[in-house]
Amino acid sequence: SQQGEEDPQALSIQEGENATMNCSYKTSINNLQWYRQNSGRGLVHLILIRSNEREKHSGRLRVTLDTSKKSSSLLITASRAADTASYFCATDAKVNDYKLSFGAGTTVTVRA
Amino acid sequence: DTAVSQTPKYLVTQMGNDKSIKCEQNLGHDTMYWYKQDSKKFLKIMFSYNNKELIINETVPNRFSPKSPDKAHLNLHINSLELGDSAVYFCASSQGTVIPIQYFGAGTRLSVL
Repeated sequence: SQQGEEDPQALSIQEGENATMNCSYKTSINNLQWYRQNSGRGLVHLILIRSNEREKHSGRLRVTLDTSKKSSSLLITASRAADTASYFCATDAKVNDYKLSFGAGTTVTVRA
Repeated sequence: DTAVSQTPKYLVTQMGNDKSIKCEQNLGHDTMYWYKQDSKKFLKIMFSYNNKELIINETVPNRFSPKSPDKAHLNLHINSLELGDSAVYFCASSQGTVIPIQYFGAGTRLSVL
């Protein structure tokens, strides 16, 4: 079953604007990751946040994690056309667990 | 060099046929995975091998059989293909579980006619 649910399903923004998407999950997690998938390509890891962390930054990406609400957000600042892609959150539920559960993704379109 | 490579990229076949998808990773990882992504982009784990040992075997029809000849390769064989098998199949790999980051191949788009 899908662990994560992304919101919104789709997002269209102008280049230079910020894009925010959310992920909610159902059970306790060990880590939460965000992946990007460009059209016709495989998923690429963006950032990982551990369950004991609340915020993490990587370049133009900012991820927050609220374990009390079982939710995470991904913020992409100053978006570019190249950010057009689908974004997925993925969780692993247990220590030493190989299994990732993915959400359905948010499709982001950045208009030039 | 491509880290995780899958072949073929596209596979068009008739119902009832048997087909295989191959995956190779040159990252030195010990764990490999097969995922199925449907038309709504839901990504579902199918199988995982760690050091050639099957560790994840989700509820998948037994027409699907993974084979891992060594740590760097994980193939997927599908018997008696059905229309519902049409999807994109992704191979991925990771190293251990302390940092569970997975590296994905570009996918194989399977179309069953």
